[in-house]
Amino acid sequence: NAGVMQNPRHLVRRRGQEARLRCSPMKGHSHVYWYRQLPEEGLKFMVYLQKENIIDESGMPKERFSAEFPKEGPSILRIQQVVRGDSAAYFCASSPDVGLAGDIGELFFGEGSRLTVL
Amino acid sequence: SQQGEEDPQALSIQEGENATMNCSYKTSINNLQWYRQNSGRGLVHLILIRSNEREKHSGRLRVTLDTSKKSSSLLITASRAADTASYFCATDYNFNKFYFGSGTKLNVKP
Repeated sequence: NAGVMQNPRHLVRRRGQEARLRCSPMKGHSHVYWYRQLPEEGLKFMVYLQKENIIDESGMPKERFSAEFPKEGPSILRIQQVVRGDSAAYFCASSPDVGLAGDIGELFFGEGSRLTVL
Repeated sequence: SQQGEEDPQALSIQEGENATMNCSYKTSINNLQWYRQNSGRGLVHLILIRSNEREKHSGRLRVTLDTSKKSSSLLITASRAADTASYFCATDYNFNKFYFGSGTKLNVKP
């Protein structure tokens, strides 16, 4: 059973271009989270999605950022008109549906996509 | 901020010693988890403790949770050089919405 797959692992963009980051959750997982990490810092929550639904996007900047998790295919984090401040590692995590305790339990992380904006 | 915050920010010990990291948070939680991150890699889940539990063990790891003080500790016993990594606590405070602290950077010297 493959783990959470993120691609590309490294992405270089010039200011004003678009960045698309993809995340394929583990098989059978229907919950996807996106986090952003700056060097030497913790993870900042961005968005929580279930299939075809955005559950919580309170951590997403109001402009230029969007996320989706379609019925078929990977989850996509899209950053339009990138700026230097968008340079960071973006991590995707997935989890299965709620367990017997009524919560999701642990998150399974991908290896991250590192975006560099020139 | 709803995030858990780890303390200390950095910890350097000799192989064989114990390492203790602490996490404090602000609101009631459903569960608290600890994760490990090797440099340049994704996070790996270590252990989960629920709000009605006080202590949990997994191998060389021991986690405690004090909900009255809103704090948790992670103890790694008999540390090894391979334990060198950053350690994060994550709090599930709003039903399946997880917030991470800034992490403790552990360096275990051989």
